Amino acid sequence: GEKVEQHESTLSVREGDSAVINCTYTDTASSYFPWYKQEAGKSLHFVIDIRSNVDRKQSQRLIVLLDKKAKRFSLHITATQPEDSAIYFCAEMSNYNVLYFGSGTKLTVEP
Amino acid sequence: ETAVFQTPNYHVTQVGNEVSFNCKQTLGHDTMYWYKQDSKKLLKIMFSYNNKQLIVNETVPRRFSPQSSDKAHLNLRIKSVEPEDSAVYLCASSQGGANTLYFGAGTRLSVL
Repeated sequence: GEKVEQHESTLSVREGDSAVINCTYTDTASSYFPWYKQEAGKSLHFVIDIRSNVDRKQSQRLIVLLDKKAKRFSLHITATQPEDSAIYFCAEMSNYNVLYFGSGTKLTVEP
Repeated sequence: ETAVFQTPNYHVTQVGNEVSFNCKQTLGHDTMYWYKQDSKKLLKIMFSYNNKQLIVNETVPRRFSPQSSDKAHLNLRIKSVEPEDSAVYLCASSQGGANTLYFGAGTRLSVL
């Protein structure tokens, strides 16, 4: 099966509201969980990550939570803005230092 | 600021032809990757190289072969393309493993 499952394929929020994207993983040895953003017609770029030695990390309007017991991690985008509209990919690093990506969540922020 | 360069941007070819894609990174990273992104935006790792050595070769058909001349370059050759090879091929680099990946703009392949 897939190494990381991304639960929301699409998500629509009103500008100013919060958006939450959830992922689960299977490998208990996974220790690194980054998030990437892909805007329309563009490539991926890194937004935030979390390592298994912490359960919360914040960078400005982005918060990542990690629940190792449940093998679940999530991206919270607060005070959403139209420019947050994009596809967001979660990922996990398993053996051989390779990132395995989730299936992506298309986030639409409506004005 | 682009630091992972891929050529060409687009390539249209016919079934059975051979194609080659180039990737160069100017970040001084020691690890490079090829990912395939299909029409549903699904991302699949194909190959991973560390200092010119193949580290990971996921379940990829034999017609795909990576080529690395030095740690800054990782090319991809497809010997005899098939329709299911139509996708965007993304090259990326990182310093070590559990660190940020920097992606190129991608090469879009269309197989007619």
